[in-house]
Formats: sequence, structure tokens, C-alpha cells
Amino acid sequence: QVQLVESGGSVVQPGTSLRLSCAASGFKFSSRGMHWVRQAPGKGLEWVATMSFDGGKIHYADSVKGRFTISRDNSRNTLYLQMNALRPDDTAIYFCASSPEDTSTLFFDYWGQGTLVTISS
Amino acid sequence: DIQMTQSPSSLSASVGDRVTITCRASQPISVYVNWYQHKPGKAPKLLIYTLSNLESGVPSRFSGGGSGTDFTLTISSLQPEDFATYYCQQTYRTPLTFGGGTNLE
Repeated sequence: QVQLVESGGSVVQPGTSLRLSCAASGFKFSSRGMHWVRQAPGKGLEWVATMSFDGGKIHYADSVKGRFTISRDNSRNTLYLQMNALRPDDTAIYFCASSPEDTSTLFFDYWGQGTLVTISS
Repeated sequence: DIQMTQSPSSLSASVGDRVTITCRASQPISVYVNWYQHKPGKAPKLLIYTLSNLESGVPSRFSGGGSGTDFTLTISSLQPEDFATYYCQQTYRTPLTFGGGTNLE
């Protein structure tokens, strides 16, 4: 049974840092692309970052570039998102998602239920 | 960046209705459009990938179509469990972008 379980969400002050984790099980984590997507309160889905199966390709949304870092530990089946210099507009539910690498097109077929990050003074 | 303009933003419908949601890309994106369903407190769910491919386990009442810049998600006969928010997504190039969502109520 495929599972993606996010953790690490919290209430923190602006300017501080937070690290999110996404524990994967039920599939071959090391063979799949991984992604972070967020949803601000009352808003739609926003793509945040992507990492290829081996970490060789990484992309970020402009809104987080230079502040957030995506990484993965294939030996622990875990995806991470290091978030620095947090701002109030980073407040959102953060979802991790996965995509197959053996296709010519990109889509997110596995998703977690999300972890809530609140940036407030 | 490629903008995905989704319409309508909300839609009132009844069980049994045929519903169509539209997404317009700001430039041609070939077949690189996906559709997701999202319910509050739940994980988003992939419905349609690469324009018109039905994800495994998704009922056949869901279908995707379109070409170039204009794309549609159609639910042929609305069921009670279909009331949710729907998003299109382009994966033609980064930054990956989602439509603004359609709240089906």
C-alpha cells in the first residue's frame, strides 16, 4: 500500500527556518521523482519544488528559490524540504507527491495528506 | 511562465448532471495536462494524466480532452462522491503550474 506521510509542520515566526519530511512506503522510492506542492489558506495548489529520482535534476518555484532546498535520502525513503527565511505568505499546507520516472510525461500519481506550516509573529 | 486559466471557479450541479470544466493555457502545451480532484483534509487525487489517460481505479465517467491551449475535464454523470475541487496542471515546462481550481458544489 502506497503511503506518503509528511511531518515537521509547525507555527514559527517570520525569518526562522523549518524542515519538513516526507516518509515514503509501499513503492520503490529511489526510482521515482518527488515533489512538494503547497496550498495557502483559501487558495489553490501551488507547485514548490521537484527533485528527480537520483537528485540530479532539481527545480524550484521562483517564490521559494534561494530560500527553500529540496533533498532526498533514498536509503531512508525520505524526502525533505528545508525552508529558510520564512515569510507569512509561506503559510500553507505542504504536500509531498511522487511521479514515475519511466514515462515520457510528468504527473503526480501519489500524494500525502499534507502538513500545516504557519508563519506568524 | 505558463498560466493555466480554469473556468468556472465554482459550479453548482446535481447528481446525474454532465459537467465540463475548462482549462486554457497561455501558450501551447501539447498533451502535457493533468487533472486532479481534491477534497478538504485529504490528499489530492490524480484523475487524468497526459491529456486523456484515465488513472487506474478512476471511474470511466471521468474523461479528459482538448488540444493546444484548450483542455476539458468532463464528468458524464455526477455522483455524490464527485463533489470536490478540481485542478488542471501543466507539466510542459517548469515552473509547473496549476489552474486556480473549480469548486464543484
